[in-house]
Amino acid sequence: EAGVVQSPRYKIIEKKQPVAFWCNPISGHNTLYWYRQNLGQGPELLIRYENEEAVDDSQLPKDRFSAERLKGVDSTLKIQPAELGDSAVYLCASSPGQGGGYGYTFGSGTRLTVV
Amino acid sequence: AQSVTQLDSQVPVFEEAPVELRCNYSSSVSVYLFWYVQYPNQGLQLLLKYLSGSTLVESINGFEAEFNKSQTSFHLRKPSVHISDTAEYFCAVSEGPNNNDMRFGAGTRLTVKP
Repeated sequence: EAGVVQSPRYKIIEKKQPVAFWCNPISGHNTLYWYRQNLGQGPELLIRYENEEAVDDSQLPKDRFSAERLKGVDSTLKIQPAELGDSAVYLCASSPGQGGGYGYTFGSGTRLTVV
Repeated sequence: AQSVTQLDSQVPVFEEAPVELRCNYSSSVSVYLFWYVQYPNQGLQLLLKYLSGSTLVESINGFEAEFNKSQTSFHLRKPSVHISDTAEYFCAVSEGPNNNDMRFGAGTRLTVKP
């Protein structure tokens, strides 16, 4: 079974430029998460999807960040415009259901560097 | 809301020595607890989890963790570490079966030296 696939693995952009990250969850996993992991810290939730519905986006900086999960499968996270402080690893994860006991399967992440 | 504190940011140990990585949580309700491991340039991998039942849970590679409700702890242990255990370890908590949000600690970097 393929795991959670993220692309690109690395991205370097200049500040004020737009950037997008893509995630393909495990087949059949209805719940999808985007996390941001700053250097030396644990992951912090940005947004959670149940199928195509964003059910928790309270931590998403909506002035510059947007996300979508069309058809309840793949998801895209976008930043426009990027700022220096956005440099981090962006992790996508998925789980089979809404219950808290499943645990998550993470992708390898996208390391964003804003210069 | 739940939160997680990992008491040690870095733990250096020699190969074949025992290790304990400490984790404390706070929550007003019953919790599920997890340990994840992150190798360099990789995503997080689930190491083990506590949902209910026996308070001692084990992973396939020799790690174990014990849920202690009175001390609100979920410390991770291994009696003899290998060089290949060098990684970042994250403790995480979610608030039971009806809450899917998972909160992570800041991580503990385990470095195993020869």
